[in-house]
Amino acid sequence: GENVEQHPSTLSVQEGDSAVIKCTYSDSASNYFPWYKQELGKRPQLIIDIRSNVGEKKDQRIAVTLNKTAKHFSLHITETQPEDSAVYFCAALAAGTALIFGKGTTLSVSS
Amino acid sequence: DAMVIQNPRYQVTQFGKPVTLSCSQTLNHNVMYWYQQKSSQAPKLLFHYYDKDFNNEADTPDNFQSRRPNTSFCFLDIRSPGLGDAAMYLCATSRGLGEIEQYFGPGTRLTVT
Repeated sequence: GENVEQHPSTLSVQEGDSAVIKCTYSDSASNYFPWYKQELGKRPQLIIDIRSNVGEKKDQRIAVTLNKTAKHFSLHITETQPEDSAVYFCAALAAGTALIFGKGTTLSVSS
Repeated sequence: DAMVIQNPRYQVTQFGKPVTLSCSQTLNHNVMYWYQQKSSQAPKLLFHYYDKDFNNEADTPDNFQSRRPNTSFCFLDIRSPGLGDAAMYLCATSRGLGEIEQYFGPGTRLTVT
């Protein structure tokens, strides 16, 4: 079955810096890769997703890149702000299977 | 507006005492999911319903059951909670299966004493 590895587990940056979180997956059939943000005590919320026919997707300060050959995808946050502080989960989905989450990255943005 | 609602937000139960967690949705989505999330870990899918079709993950313990009496409601029943079942339980919904956004509820934090 699918296995998703996520790194780093914790990430501390200064406000205005960029943050990068990386994930690798094992199942070459996986074709959908969402990223969820979970603030303390709140529900996970989708912030961006990418499908296997696309190499990069951007939404304002957030971008995701996908390398299908290497089976890894990354979340990039530019110009970080304190409200970006949260736990970020990557996930991978192969058709007909369940969404498999990475273990999460705790991002702390200090002002 | 609340779209996926979970009750209660906090639940305390005794070891071995059955407990039911509730989820409702106002999105009219076809699929409802139950995830277990332990501290500092990723959400882990227990099972999901596509309409009335129930799909259990292979490694979900038999101690966990689910009911979906109608489109809006889904319940998680834990027949004999153990200390290891203490966790956050997240309900989620989606319009369909596959490459599609899942909307999560706020979760129910279960404590087993």
